[in-house]
Amino acid sequence: EDQVTQSPEALRLQEGESSSLNCSYTVSGLRGLFWYRQDPGKGPEFLFTLYSAGEEKEKERLKATLTKKESFLHITAPKPEDSATYLCAVQASIWGMNTGFQKLVFGTGTRLLVSP
Amino acid sequence: NAGVTQTPKFRVLKTGQSMTLLCAQDMNHEYMYWYRQDPGMGLRLIHYSVGEGTTAKGEVPDGYNVSRLKKQNFLLGLESAAPSQTSVYFCASSYAGLPTYEQYFGPGTRLTVT
Repeated sequence: EDQVTQSPEALRLQEGESSSLNCSYTVSGLRGLFWYRQDPGKGPEFLFTLYSAGEEKEKERLKATLTKKESFLHITAPKPEDSATYLCAVQASIWGMNTGFQKLVFGTGTRLLVSP
Repeated sequence: NAGVTQTPKFRVLKTGQSMTLLCAQDMNHEYMYWYRQDPGMGLRLIHYSVGEGTTAKGEVPDGYNVSRLKKQNFLLGLESAAPSQTSVYFCASSYAGLPTYEQYFGPGTRLTVT
């Protein structure tokens, strides 16, 4: 069964204190791993797609990396505005009317709070 | 360009009542999705559509129906609401399929069934 596990569930950092969020996954044939940011009361906002082990992508203070079993979201010198829940998802197949339709399997997220 | 919008934002229903959630997108996207988000669980796909006039079941379709009569709209219906359907519902859309085209999410509808 396709599964995504994120850790820690919650993380509290001081402004400027770098850290990493973990996303471990089991999926038959990874085609894509996705990171989203979700602010309270809002929908997820797309951050990155990673396709293969060894790939890295950066956006401002965020850097996402991918291995064969897990992905990390590194946050360098975070600011209070980086506070949010970060969601990880992997692409998996769902079989039905549209053969092999690709869906997202989401983790439960890591709640990040950055204090000034 | 509003992106993906959802109405209503909040709703309280009594068990057995019905309602329709409306999702609209102005990005000319082919694919649209309905998810539910519950505490301690990841977002789960309810139904999806790969184009106007088409719909298909996702992971948790029981108790829900959908329609996509117009390309820009995707409706989610609850015919007889149950407390287990208390959740936050998100609509999303994408230009085409994964992994190339990311999904854009709406702001969500918080539904409580008493």
